[in-house]
Amino acid sequence: QQQVKQSPQSLIVQKGGISIINCAYENTAFDYFPWYQQFPGKGPALLIAIRPDVSEKKEGRFTISFNKSAKQFSLHIMDSQPGDSATYFCAATQETSGSRLTFGEGTQLTVNP
Amino acid sequence: GAVVSQHPSWVICKSGTSVKIECRSLDFQATTMFWYRQFPKQSLMLMATSNEGSKATYEQGVEKDKFLINHASLTLSTLTVTSAHPEDSSFYICSAMGTVRDTEAFFGQGTRLTVV
Repeated sequence: QQQVKQSPQSLIVQKGGISIINCAYENTAFDYFPWYQQFPGKGPALLIAIRPDVSEKKEGRFTISFNKSAKQFSLHIMDSQPGDSATYFCAATQETSGSRLTFGEGTQLTVNP
Repeated sequence: GAVVSQHPSWVICKSGTSVKIECRSLDFQATTMFWYRQFPKQSLMLMATSNEGSKATYEQGVEKDKFLINHASLTLSTLTVTSAHPEDSSFYICSAMGTVRDTEAFFGQGTRLTVV
């Protein structure tokens, strides 16, 4: 059973625009929510992560918004650049379970120049 | 940041042969390593979790006799695909976590396996 649902499946944004990817989870025991960026033929790389005790976290052009009551979190990429074109995965884990990550289905982002 | 090195990056093997993939944590001790499989345009599917010195825990539906995992040291885990068949062709990715930042998992660059 998929416990983390991610949308949209694909996203096309113009350079300079805002990319928004959404995720929803079911397991209320999850307590760590990372986002990963993956380029073709490469392994995922951690982009930014959040814990449920805060509602927002910002690192450069990347922001996570977290809504604990709705069990939703989203990634916002400001001033999107062609170099941001990649597949993005949200994930969730429960630290006490040995940090097994449950991944969303992924979003293929294309930023047009 | 912590570095996880996976080798080889790609491998082509004949059907019926075995292939070993290595995953090394270069600058930290990996107490736990994870092995994933990823099909084109799909998400990562966890295959197994291994802790140093103990047997791997396999996810439901993953054949442990076909995908042998060894985590003999704090810096090395190996995945051996035994008697490989074309349907085993996939992108295999390892990740490691340990002494750097407790919750963060660091990923290798992946191994593209093609069985012909």
